[in-house]
Amino acid sequence: QLQLQESGPGLVKASETLSLTCTVSGGSISSSNYYWGWIRQPPGKGLEWIGSMYYSGSTYYNPSLKNRVTIPVDMSKNQFSLRLSSVTAADTAVYYCARQTSGGRYGIAHPDYWGQGTLVTVSP
Amino acid sequence: ANQMTQSPSSLSASVGDRVTITCRASQGVRNDLGWYQQKPGKAPKLLIYAASTLQSGVPSRFSGSGSGTDFTLTISSLQPEDFATYYCLQDYDYPFTFGPGTKVDVK
Repeated sequence: QLQLQESGPGLVKASETLSLTCTVSGGSISSSNYYWGWIRQPPGKGLEWIGSMYYSGSTYYNPSLKNRVTIPVDMSKNQFSLRLSSVTAADTAVYYCARQTSGGRYGIAHPDYWGQGTLVTVSP
Repeated sequence: ANQMTQSPSSLSASVGDRVTITCRASQGVRNDLGWYQQKPGKAPKLLIYAASTLQSGVPSRFSGSGSGTDFTLTISSLQPEDFATYYCLQDYDYPFTFGPGTKVDVK
């Protein structure tokens, strides 16, 4: 059974970099059929896709986050990460990592497995 | 970005009711549309993908339809465990975008 688990600090200071890691178990991050991504949800609000990566290193980011986001991968640990720089209070959210299937216009499609999510609060 | 809208934003229903939620995309997405169910404090759960394909393990009372810009999620007979918030997601084009959600609560 595939499982994803987010980990990282729950509190980040404004202007600093948010760093989270997603550990995948029960499956390989280097599977050719899947992509891996991050989605966030501010408290009481809706869902926002942050970005996705493929084990080969290809990445796709939401333009709304401009140049603040990167999603590196560590295949030796079966992990991928999220780095979001220059955070503000607007980045306070529950962050989910997820597996994404292949499909869609550009080869990436919907998330089918999700982690439980981790709340990150940005402090002044 | 492709803007997704949902209607209604909330609805009240009883067990056994037939419930219909609509999702509209500002630009066509073929049939690259999914539906998710989210309960408080939990991650979203995939119900339907490719507009009408039921995810493995999801009860058959859930169904989806539509293509292009207009889509529908139907729950044929609402069960107690179905009270939740439902989101649509277009996975046709970047950035992937979710609808604002429809909260289904007890009448």
